[in-house]
Amino acid sequence: SQTIHQWPATLVQPVGSPLSLECTVEGTSNPNLYWYRQAAGRGLQLLFYSVGIGQISSEVPQNLSASRPQDRQFILSSKKLLLSDSGFYLCAWSLGISSGNTIYFGEGSWLTVV
Amino acid sequence: AQKVTQAQTEISVVEKEDVTLDCVYETRDTTYYLFWYKQPPSGELVFLIRRNSFDEQNEISGRYSWNFQKSTSSFNFTITASQVVDSAVYFCALSFNAGNMLTFGGGTRLMVKP
Repeated sequence: SQTIHQWPATLVQPVGSPLSLECTVEGTSNPNLYWYRQAAGRGLQLLFYSVGIGQISSEVPQNLSASRPQDRQFILSSKKLLLSDSGFYLCAWSLGISSGNTIYFGEGSWLTVV
Repeated sequence: AQKVTQAQTEISVVEKEDVTLDCVYETRDTTYYLFWYKQPPSGELVFLIRRNSFDEQNEISGRYSWNFQKSTSSFNFTITASQVVDSAVYFCALSFNAGNMLTFGGGTRLMVKP
């Protein structure tokens, strides 16, 4: 069966510091990978998605970037964090790009920028 | 443009009561998919159901049931005989034909009191 794991689970970082959140998927090949953010008291917002190694699409211009160095690895990064980057970050995967494929989420990472 | 509206931001019920969570969507696509996810306090998004636009049959899974009505663009979720463990935030989401990205509603926080 497929599993998705992301880390760290909780992170407290000062403003201006870098960020790296990692996500890996096991049990499948060539998944679509996604990063979502959930700000406090708000809904989920798609940040990035990837259909393959090195292929990243950004949905919202921001202070963050994403990379996919391996087929089942997805990394969310920032060079300098802002207070507004605080939130709950969720990595997710699905089979292929066809619409309607169920998207499965990881456990999430709580980021607090202080 | 795609849009999902969950008008109920918060619902509080007493255990064993039935509760319905409303979801209304907007899309111009004729082919689309609707989802419900549960987000317990731990934060992880748990997939509950997926429904395509051509299948208007209602679905029942244990205490959970879903009512899909294209005529009113609604995909409502009912929990029968609610339990404390049902307490969570529930998200309705829409995936449209241009790709496999989810548009989420704002979520409904359900609190089931003993």
